Amino acid sequence: SAVISQKPSRDICQRGTSLTIQCQVDSQVTMMFWYRQQPGQSLTLIATANQGSEATYESGFVIDKFPISRPNLTFSTLTVSNMSPEDSSIYLCSVGGGLPESTEAFFGQGTRLTVV
Amino acid sequence: GENVEQHPSTLSVQEGDSAVIKCTYSDSASNYFPWYKQELGKRPQLIIDIRSNVGEKKDQRIAVTLNKTAKHFSLHITETQPEDSAVYFCAASKGTNAGKSTFGDGTTLTVKP
Repeated sequence: SAVISQKPSRDICQRGTSLTIQCQVDSQVTMMFWYRQQPGQSLTLIATANQGSEATYESGFVIDKFPISRPNLTFSTLTVSNMSPEDSSIYLCSVGGGLPESTEAFFGQGTRLTVV
Repeated sequence: GENVEQHPSTLSVQEGDSAVIKCTYSDSASNYFPWYKQELGKRPQLIIDIRSNVGEKKDQRIAVTLNKTAKHFSLHITETQPEDSAVYFCAASKGTNAGKSTFGDGTTLTVKP
């Protein structure tokens, strides 16, 4: 199993500012994933953070808004830039085992972001 | 891309009854189907998963069935208990990593004592 530490756990931010969320894993992993969970809704994949290369973004998400760093195999950051109230969500990082011999996916505890 | 639909969005059952949640997926290349339970304010946690080479899997009171031809899979919870109350998400993954998944919209299960 993987233990994921994510911080901050919550924050209240002013619109127009940026917040960087950190995700630390207790083992080396090739890929880390960032999800957004808007209030009362499902999880939507933002991007895949690859070590040694640029992150891969899903449709509807762009690097300028959600820059990602992946400096090593155990750590990643997601920045939410130029925030607006619509960015108020829970942001989760995730790692998973390789398929087809997959182990389960593990999630960090999430960062609850409120933009005012 | 993959699209996962989940029904019902809410489900209320009496303690001891069974609960069934159904999901359909669109991409025939998907080969891994996990189910997550998310309690209020907590992270999603895997409760059971199934791979495309298996039709059914059971773990105590929880079972999952997969119909690859119809592209649907279901979660079955028997002898429900109040502590089963939570939001349940199905997901589908087709890549090389279980961490990259497309999620259904979730089902809020309430088990009434």
